Amino acid sequence: QKEVEQNSGPLSVPEGAIASLNCTYSDRVSQSFFWYRQYSGKSPELIMSIYSNGDKEDGRFTAQLNKASQYVSLLIRDSQPSDSATYLCAVNLRDDKIIFGKGTRLHILP
Amino acid sequence: DVKVTQSSRYLVKRTGEKVFLECVQDMDHENMFWYRQDPGLGLRLIYFSYDVKMKEKGDIPEGYSVSREKKERFSLILESASTNQTSMYLCASSSPGQLYYGYTFGSGTRLTVV
Repeated sequence: QKEVEQNSGPLSVPEGAIASLNCTYSDRVSQSFFWYRQYSGKSPELIMSIYSNGDKEDGRFTAQLNKASQYVSLLIRDSQPSDSATYLCAVNLRDDKIIFGKGTRLHILP
Repeated sequence: DVKVTQSSRYLVKRTGEKVFLECVQDMDHENMFWYRQDPGLGLRLIYFSYDVKMKEKGDIPEGYSVSREKKERFSLILESASTNQTSMYLCASSSPGQLYYGYTFGSGTRLTVV
């Protein structure tokens, strides 16, 4: 059974600090990795995707991928109250399917 | 603005009713998916389709069926609704070979079965 594991949280971070979200996956052949943000009662929204080992930055967000360790992370710099949400890590399978972790709840403290 | 549209945001149905959840996408995507999302269980794949008239079972297909008569429309059918099918239902679509863009989700249908 291929899996994506995340700490469920909640992760509480002071406003302005860096939030660090982590994810591990079991399928070594996975090629694409995603972070989705989901506000309460809303649908998931893609915020980052990453294919290659290393870091990818987009504004305040940085995705980090280490395929050897089967580890993906998301850093949110200068955290804002509007970043409070559940963050879903997702990993592709070979047949165009994506599997999702159960998500980490992030709470930014004003 | 490209989108995935789910016909109902909230739905209340009675036990035993046949329920249709509709999903339409305007992105010309071949792939479409139905998930349900429950607290503590995350997103669970019910059915998916890679082409018109094609369907495949996901992880939890029991009690559900689907229909894909047109490329843009993927319907989820609850043959006889039960209270354990109370959930948030999410439709998603994607294009084969463009997985870098991930899935695009609809806004979801919160179904309550009473």
